[in-house]
Amino acid sequence: DAGVIQSPRHEVTEMGQEVTLRCKPISGHNSLFWYRQTMMRGLELLIYFNNNVPIDDSGMPEDRFSAKMPNASFSTLKIQPSEPRDSAVYFCASSGDRVFNYGYTFGSGTRLTVV
Amino acid sequence: GEDVEQSLFLSVREGDSSVINCTYTDSSSTYLYWYKQEPGAGLQLLTYIFSNMDMKQDQRLTVLLNKKDKHLSLRIADTQTGDSAIYFCAEKKTSYDKVIFGPGTSLSVIP
Repeated sequence: DAGVIQSPRHEVTEMGQEVTLRCKPISGHNSLFWYRQTMMRGLELLIYFNNNVPIDDSGMPEDRFSAKMPNASFSTLKIQPSEPRDSAVYFCASSGDRVFNYGYTFGSGTRLTVV
Repeated sequence: GEDVEQSLFLSVREGDSSVINCTYTDSSSTYLYWYKQEPGAGLQLLTYIFSNMDMKQDQRLTVLLNKKDKHLSLRIADTQTGDSAIYFCAEKKTSYDKVIFGPGTSLSVIP
C-alpha cells in the first residue's frame, strides 16, 4: 500500500496565482480530510468528505478556497487567488468507514509558499 | 474548555523516560490517539486507546487514561534521539465524529 499520496511536495507561487493541491487517498478508504498546518495556528481541519460528498467545510477560510472529490481516488484543494498568508503545509488524510476508529492516515504534505 | 491542551515543549536526556501530557475536552470521548510527526513528514498514528481502558502498553510506549480528569499521557521509556518529534494528542467523541487534535508537544532528546 503506497499510503496517502499528495502532490506536489513543494509549491512556490506568486501572490494572486491559482494553486491546486492534489491527493490520492488509500484505496478503500471512504473519508478524506484536508488539513492546514502553521506555526501560529497549529493543525486546522479545512474540509472533509465521506463517500466523495463534502460533510463539513466550516474550516475553509474563505471563498478563495475550494475543494472537490470527483471520485473515490482523487481530491483537489484549490486556492484562487493565493495570498502570502496562505503559506503553510497542507495535509491530506484518509480513513476507512466512519465507524472504523483506528485513526487517520496522513500524506506527507504539500509545503506551499506564496511570495 | 473547547480545546485539547498540551504543553508545547519537552526536553529529556537520551535514555530517560519522557512523559507527554494532554487534557482533552469531553469525558465521554470514546477514542483517544497519539500521533507522531517527524520533521518534514505527515502525522503518523503512534497508538490509540479506547475509553473502556485505563492503560495500554506497546513496547516502549505506555498510555494512561484518567477519564474523570480527562487526562491522557504518553510515556516513552528509554527515550532515543530518534524519538525527537512533535507528538499530538487527539480525541474522537463517537464513531461518527471527526478527530480533534491538540497543538502538539515538541519533544527534544539531548544526547
